[in-house]
Amino acid sequence: DTAVSQTPKYLVTQMGNDKSIKCEQNLGHDTMYWYKQDSKKFLKIMFSYNNKELIINETVPNRFSPKSPDKAHLNLHINSLELGDSAVYFCASSAQTGAKLTFGDGTRLSIL
Amino acid sequence: DAKTTQPPSMDCAEGRAANLPCNHSTISGNEYVYWYRQIHSQGPQYIIHGLKNNETNEMASLIITEDRKSSTLILPHATLRDTAVYYCIVRTLTGAQKLVFGQGTRLTINP
Repeated sequence: DTAVSQTPKYLVTQMGNDKSIKCEQNLGHDTMYWYKQDSKKFLKIMFSYNNKELIINETVPNRFSPKSPDKAHLNLHINSLELGDSAVYFCASSAQTGAKLTFGDGTRLSIL
Repeated sequence: DAKTTQPPSMDCAEGRAANLPCNHSTISGNEYVYWYRQIHSQGPQYIIHGLKNNETNEMASLIITEDRKSSTLILPHATLRDTAVYYCIVRTLTGAQKLVFGQGTRLTINP
């Protein structure tokens, strides 16, 4: 039983395309996140939702739009993909209090 | 949240204790010390956290100095599967849940 699952695991696409990454958690957590890990391996938060409400938005370009249809899902849609978007994107979740996050295994996005 | 400083890399022999240090000299009274690790090609994994008392769980022990300005994560009997990047993070329990990851320590367990 995967706690935080992301799909797809790998995504290879061309510049200018639009793509989505899906995330689901079965832990009953109220808060979900998207993190980006670039080629230098720095992990940076992008967004956080609590009970479907956006609570953190870290100066991410408007081309990135998170959507949370319910508290168990947080999807990431990216418009007009650019070369710099190549990275590993991690979804995570946590209970409302505390900083104990559970991460998914990541989606490796490669832009050609 | 307070900043942390960790050595960029460490080596440890398999079966020995791995001691990973972390400095957090600007830590506030209500900030906790968290440790995560990231094994190659996987998502970060929570290890342990503490406020001021030493903590132990099935994965590791956390020793926090009395002045709370530094801490040590101890993996008592390191195995090859413990090779990973270890992150020390300081933050409060309240407020927006934003974990800030630094560069961490790349721990290599040698056979």
